[in-house]
Amino acid sequence: EAGVTQFPSHSVIEKGQTVTLRCDPISGHDNLYWYRRVMGKEIKFLLHFVKESKQDESGMPNNRFLAERTGGTYSTLKVQPAELEDSGVYFCASSQSLAGGGQYFGPGTRLTVT
Amino acid sequence: QKEVEQNSGPLSVPEGAIASLNCTYSDRGSQSFFWYRQYSGKSPELIMSIYSNGDKEDGRFTAQLNKASQYVSLLIRDSQPSDSATYLCAVPHRGGTYKYIFGTGTRLKVLA
Repeated sequence: EAGVTQFPSHSVIEKGQTVTLRCDPISGHDNLYWYRRVMGKEIKFLLHFVKESKQDESGMPNNRFLAERTGGTYSTLKVQPAELEDSGVYFCASSQSLAGGGQYFGPGTRLTVT
Repeated sequence: QKEVEQNSGPLSVPEGAIASLNCTYSDRGSQSFFWYRQYSGKSPELIMSIYSNGDKEDGRFTAQLNKASQYVSLLIRDSQPSDSATYLCAVPHRGGTYKYIFGTGTRLKVLA
């Protein structure tokens, strides 16, 4: 069974540019989460999809971040325009059920905004 | 007070020893707890889950939960240099989405 995959693994962009991160969850996992870790801090929740519906986007920093999950399969997270403070590692995770079993994480996308 | 707290370490133990990693949490009603291992530059890997008070063993790993004291710990027996990694404690937020609240992680170094 393939794990969670993310693309790209690294992205270096200039302030003001746009970047789109992609996540492919484990097949059959309806729950998809985005998290972010900035330097020296803990991993923090951004948002949660169940299939194609956003269930909780309380962790999204501001309206420069837009997440989609069309068709309930893969998800994209767009940052537009990027700011320096957006630098960090963006993780995607998926789970089959909410309460049990745990979430399975992808390798992350390291975003550097210069 | 942070919702999930861990000592950032590094925790250094000699090869073959028991490594003890601790995590405290603030929400007394939390029901499930997860330990992840993260090697540098890699994804967090789920290694243990625990839901009930007491111990849960899986190979060299033992998770311990004490809900009254609001702590969960991870013991690694016969520590190996390959166990050197950051260990993350994750507690689902109670509110419907089960988004995880993470600690900062404890960096473990197993010395050969």
